[in-house]
Amino acid sequence: GESVGLHLPTLSVQEGDNSIINCAYSNSASDYFIWYKQESGKGPQFIIDIRSNMDKRQGQRVTVLLNKTVKHLSLQIAATQPGDSAVYFCAERTSYDKVIFGPGTSLSVIP
Amino acid sequence: GAGVSQSPSNKVTEKGKDVELRCDPISGHTALYWYRQRLGQGLEFLIYFQGNSAPDKSGLPSDRFSAERTGESVSTLTIQRTQQEDSAVYLCASSLWGPRKYNEQFFGPGTRLTVL
Repeated sequence: GESVGLHLPTLSVQEGDNSIINCAYSNSASDYFIWYKQESGKGPQFIIDIRSNMDKRQGQRVTVLLNKTVKHLSLQIAATQPGDSAVYFCAERTSYDKVIFGPGTSLSVIP
Repeated sequence: GAGVSQSPSNKVTEKGKDVELRCDPISGHTALYWYRQRLGQGLEFLIYFQGNSAPDKSGLPSDRFSAERTGESVSTLTIQRTQQEDSAVYLCASSLWGPRKYNEQFFGPGTRLTVL
């Protein structure tokens, strides 16, 4: 079936460094790609999305890159902070409001 | 304003019992989703409501699972004859609806279901 997967299940970074979380997707017809952050004991929280006709989008301290040629998505977090420690999910919208989530990457920030 | 709420926050039940999980979406959100998240895993899509109708039930894992929504508001996910493999966190999300752009899904805190 359709799936979105992540290259790295866990990632540890030093506070202040930049973090890069990678994701591979399988459905070339998806029109939006999204990143969510899930802190322990909470529901996922939207971070940023990117439309399929774009290759880069920036938010506050975050940048999402989309490479449709290799079906790859990444989330870059600048100057990683302890509050960024969480599980990050990439997701793709395969049809109107149907979103498939990947398995997640756990980001741990070392003070 | 109020976000998505779910109840109960925790539910422990015995194998074979039925359970009902409730979701109160954000007012005005016509789209509502249910997901299942097993420990340490990603989100598994279960069902999606547009208004009170469910155009996509493909994610329901078996006929023991059902869901309904009334008044374009509250939704209930029912699991009959629960099994141990049903143990998971059940997450509900709501959003505005529209195909032109991605409509952010707002998630509730989830219901942690444990089947003994």
